[in-house]
Amino acid sequence: QQQVKQSPQSLIVQKGGISIINCAYENTAFDYFPWYQQFPGKGPALLIAIRPDVSEKKEGRFTISFNKSAKQFSLHIMDSQPGDSATYFCAASLHPGAQKLVFGQGTRLTINP
Amino acid sequence: GAGVSQSPSNKVTEKGKDVELRCDPISGHTALYWYRQSLGQGLEFLIYFQGNSAPDKSGLPSDRFSAERTGGSVSTLTIQRTQQEDSAVYLCASSGQLAGVGYEQFFGPGTRLTVL
Repeated sequence: QQQVKQSPQSLIVQKGGISIINCAYENTAFDYFPWYQQFPGKGPALLIAIRPDVSEKKEGRFTISFNKSAKQFSLHIMDSQPGDSATYFCAASLHPGAQKLVFGQGTRLTINP
Repeated sequence: GAGVSQSPSNKVTEKGKDVELRCDPISGHTALYWYRQSLGQGLEFLIYFQGNSAPDKSGLPSDRFSAERTGGSVSTLTIQRTQQEDSAVYLCASSGQLAGVGYEQFFGPGTRLTVL
């Protein structure tokens, strides 16, 4: 019930293309869904986050789409750039307060120039 | 204005030895978390401290693992009698409120532990 499943494990996209990473969760009590970006040798950094009361959130080239009935959410990176090459993790927690995060397995994204 | 810092950055130890990993959270953050990241895997929650409340230890994989947080600031994760399967990157995070959305967890660079 605590699991978050992420796909694909790896993704290669041409520069300028759209990168899409998907996550599914089981626990309907989850109330906060962040995406983290991690570069090699660094800790993860928050990219964008959403609450389930909205279906979409956009920040620059990054968009989260959220489907509460399907228990799925996805990250879209528009106009993907080589600098976006990193590992991306979706996560979920029971509420947006200070709470432990349950992470997906990660997606290694490579943007080819 | 420093972020979360962790030390050491790398630790190589022999099987059966004890190790201590240190985390210095962002000043003023009351919540502190430890996660473990095995090669090619996602982050696995270990333990969480919030203010003066009892820590949430539900993610600790065995009684060889323990953690403490002194004075509401620095935390130490201790692994006793290390095993090869303990090899991983141990990440510490602290959290502060992200206006309008929730509490953002800020991660340190991690400690890479290798057990020979």
